[in-house]
Amino acid sequence: DQQVKQNSPSLSVQEGRISILNCDYTNSMFDYFLWYKKYPAEGPTFLISISSIKDKNEDGRFTVFLNKSAKHLSLHIVPSQPGDSAVYFCAARGRRDDKIIFGKGTRLHILP
Amino acid sequence: KAGVTQTPRYLIKTRGQQVTLSCSPISGHRSVSWYQQTPGQGLQFLFEYFSETQRNKGNFPGRFSGRQFSNSRSEMNVSTLELGDSALYLCASSLASASTQYFGPGTRLLVL
Repeated sequence: DQQVKQNSPSLSVQEGRISILNCDYTNSMFDYFLWYKKYPAEGPTFLISISSIKDKNEDGRFTVFLNKSAKHLSLHIVPSQPGDSAVYFCAARGRRDDKIIFGKGTRLHILP
Repeated sequence: KAGVTQTPRYLIKTRGQQVTLSCSPISGHRSVSWYQQTPGQGLQFLFEYFSETQRNKGNFPGRFSGRQFSNSRSEMNVSTLELGDSALYLCASSLASASTQYFGPGTRLLVL
């Protein structure tokens, strides 16, 4: 059973526009959420996280929004740049010492 | 500070053989997690070690095992390899269990 779901395998966005990547989760016990970015032939790199006590966290061009009632989070990238083309993984964690569960990823293509 | 290193980067084995992969975490990090990435499956959690003890385990058969040494370096072993074990194996380290993880570049295993 997929507890963290990224329903869009891929997304194409024009350079300079906003990219919105979505993630849904099923486990109401998750209390910490993360986004990772992965280039080919490299390991994932941490982008941004959010605790369940917040509904928004911003870091430069990246903002993560959390809607606990809908069990949904999203990553906004504004403005999108060519270097943002990568696979983005959403991840979630339950109690403090629990394992981190990853979604299957969304491949983002930034078009010139 | 050096990042997470994994050796070897590429490996070709045949069915029935066994393989050992190595991971050196970031200095000072005591938690090491292992993930398997296959096309369309995202990152699937294998296990996590913290201070030489396995803290969490994913849903993989007993052919997959691991250990962590006193210097926090970790090894993962897969015995009786199957074609379906072909994947990218990623190691991630963190200061504490399930805090923000930093990934290595991965070991790409091909089983023929």
